[in-house]
Amino acid sequence: GAVVSQHPSWVICKSGTSVKIECRSLDFQATTMFWYRQFPKQSLMLMATSNEGSKATYEQGVEKDKFLINHASLTLSTLTVTSAHPEDSSFYICSARDFQGAGEKLFFGSGTQLSVL
Amino acid sequence: DAKTTQPPSMDCAEGRAANLPCNHSTISGNEYVYWYRQIHSQGPQYIIHGLKNNETNEMASLIITEDRKSSTLILPHATLRDTAVYYCIVRVAWGQGGKLIFGQGTELSVKP
Repeated sequence: GAVVSQHPSWVICKSGTSVKIECRSLDFQATTMFWYRQFPKQSLMLMATSNEGSKATYEQGVEKDKFLINHASLTLSTLTVTSAHPEDSSFYICSARDFQGAGEKLFFGSGTQLSVL
Repeated sequence: DAKTTQPPSMDCAEGRAANLPCNHSTISGNEYVYWYRQIHSQGPQYIIHGLKNNETNEMASLIITEDRKSSTLILPHATLRDTAVYYCIVRVAWGQGGKLIFGQGTELSVKP
């Protein structure tokens, strides 16, 4: 199946710093990518939809200025958590749609565990 | 997207079939039924999806009732590695603005 690579797997940062998470589709082109976050013992929560070459669409309640999303190419989307604070500590997961090959399937990265001290 | 209802947890003996139910009584005619699973601290893994007909692949079978208001995911011979949270999701096609919205899922424990 299609592979989505997410980097880094985990990151620890100081409060007030910014953190960038990369999501790459390795063997397919992804016009649409999705970003989720997950707190311990909870389900995944959709944060935003990222379309190549256009602005991301954020879900209600997600601060677009805090979670900057860039989808500059068909294989790369990035999520930047700006001025991170301890409450931003979470598991962040990206996913990508293989619009040519897999049709209706969505493939997920392995996730990034962010810990803000 | 239609809401789904799943039991919060289930147990299954290793080697036996695991049957995971999902209720989606408000599903629309153009909404697909998807199943994903998430093993602890990993990204979700696609299992199977269907629209109207029953589906089978190398991982599982999906049985959708004739009225499409419920479905069952069947893992024919569960192993310890199948222990995970299983999510049943319904959504419209991507071209119609579909998104994958996760509910609480069913935590399946496969026991020796």
